[in-house]
Amino acid sequence: GQQVQQSPASLVLQEGENAELQCNFSTSLNSMQWFYQRPGGSLVSLFYNPSGTKHSGRLTSTTVIKERRSSLHISSSQTTDSGTYLCALDSSNTNKVVFGTGTRLQVLP
Amino acid sequence: DAGVTQTPRHEVAEKGQTIILKCEPVSGHNDLFWYRQTKIQGLELLSYFRSKSLMEDGGAFKDRFKAEMLNSSFSTLKIQPTEPKDSAVYLCASSHHREGTEVFFGKGTRLTVV
Repeated sequence: GQQVQQSPASLVLQEGENAELQCNFSTSLNSMQWFYQRPGGSLVSLFYNPSGTKHSGRLTSTTVIKERRSSLHISSSQTTDSGTYLCALDSSNTNKVVFGTGTRLQVLP
Repeated sequence: DAGVTQTPRHEVAEKGQTIILKCEPVSGHNDLFWYRQTKIQGLELLSYFRSKSLMEDGGAFKDRFKAEMLNSSFSTLKIQPTEPKDSAVYLCASSHHREGTEVFFGKGTRLTVV
């Protein structure tokens, strides 16, 4: 079955609202990475976060290995945050990189 | 420090043509991935190489898609013959396989088949 489940699949926010994106995985992992892709743009790495919490501006990533989940929190969303957010894990079971299906975020003005 | 380089950035092909996409991974990386990205299907794995050996190819893509890695610093993805449904962004990514590793993506090749 699917090793990485991302939720929600899509999300619409009003500018200024916060967003919480989730990645749940069914396999042991070596690392977790979050990517962002602007519509029509290339994938950009946001966080490389094997465990714990990392901050970057309005973004926070938290990976809890024993609970098999990682989250991406966006505070005070802006219209420029619109795009697709992907998580990817490096699986220690299969030694492969597995991607989630992505969350499409739309932030309205 | 160069990242993953993909060429061309854009490609327009007529139905039935053969096209070859190119990728140069990050120097020293030994894992290389080819993905196809569409709005409907998201990211789909086409091929996965480790140390130039093919580890996995996306079963649904075997018949017309062929990825090769002739040396550790260069890979190609051939689509033959192209069909309109192949229109998508093709992404190459690389990483160094060890515990806890980052994946680096190229900017992709946008393929349009008419």
